[in-house]
Amino acid sequence: DAGVIQSPRHEVTEMGQEVTLRCKPISGHNSLFWYRQTMMRGLELLIYFNNNVPIDDSGMPEDRFSAKMPNASFSTLKIQPSEPRDSAVYFCASGDSNTDTQYFGPGTRLTVL
Amino acid sequence: KQEVTQIPAALSVPEGENLVLNCSFTDSAIYNLQWFRQDPGKGLTSLLLIQSSQREQTSGRLNASLDKSSGRSTLYIAASQPGDSATYLCAVRHRSGGSYIPTFGRGTSLIVHP
Repeated sequence: DAGVIQSPRHEVTEMGQEVTLRCKPISGHNSLFWYRQTMMRGLELLIYFNNNVPIDDSGMPEDRFSAKMPNASFSTLKIQPSEPRDSAVYFCASGDSNTDTQYFGPGTRLTVL
Repeated sequence: KQEVTQIPAALSVPEGENLVLNCSFTDSAIYNLQWFRQDPGKGLTSLLLIQSSQREQTSGRLNASLDKSSGRSTLYIAASQPGDSATYLCAVRHRSGGSYIPTFGRGTSLIVHP
């Protein structure tokens, strides 16, 4: 298996633009997590899906953030409009319910100018 | 609210030393605890996962223990090597509302020098 795939790996955009981050979880995994990592706040959970259904989105910072999981093999995290303080590395992780282990993707480094 | 603290924040040791990294959490009603390694510019790699009913897990030179009642876990690294240099994070899966969500510590940055 190729592991968790995230795209793009790097994104540079201007304030006010819409940003869409994409994630393909490991086949057969039934849970998916979106995280944000910054030096100031560390690794924060944004939203957690189980069987494609959002279970906990209490970490989504504002209404500017939205996440979808239309099927078991694809998820998106959208920021509209983006702001400089959204600059961070965004990770997607998928989970195996048999082992409870999380497997992380390589991350998307987002820079909002 | 669950809070996860990792001590020390940074550690620099010569090769060959045995190491102990600490993780503490405020709410002992956890589902499991997982240790990860993160190399610079990379994602996290799972090292060990301890279920709430377990006391320890071992993989090679790594041993992780869990004491739920005191809200602590330790990651023991035997005979450290330069290749062990990375940031080590612990994550606690705990109940929040109707689900179990993970909360991460800030990590311990480890440098093992030859």
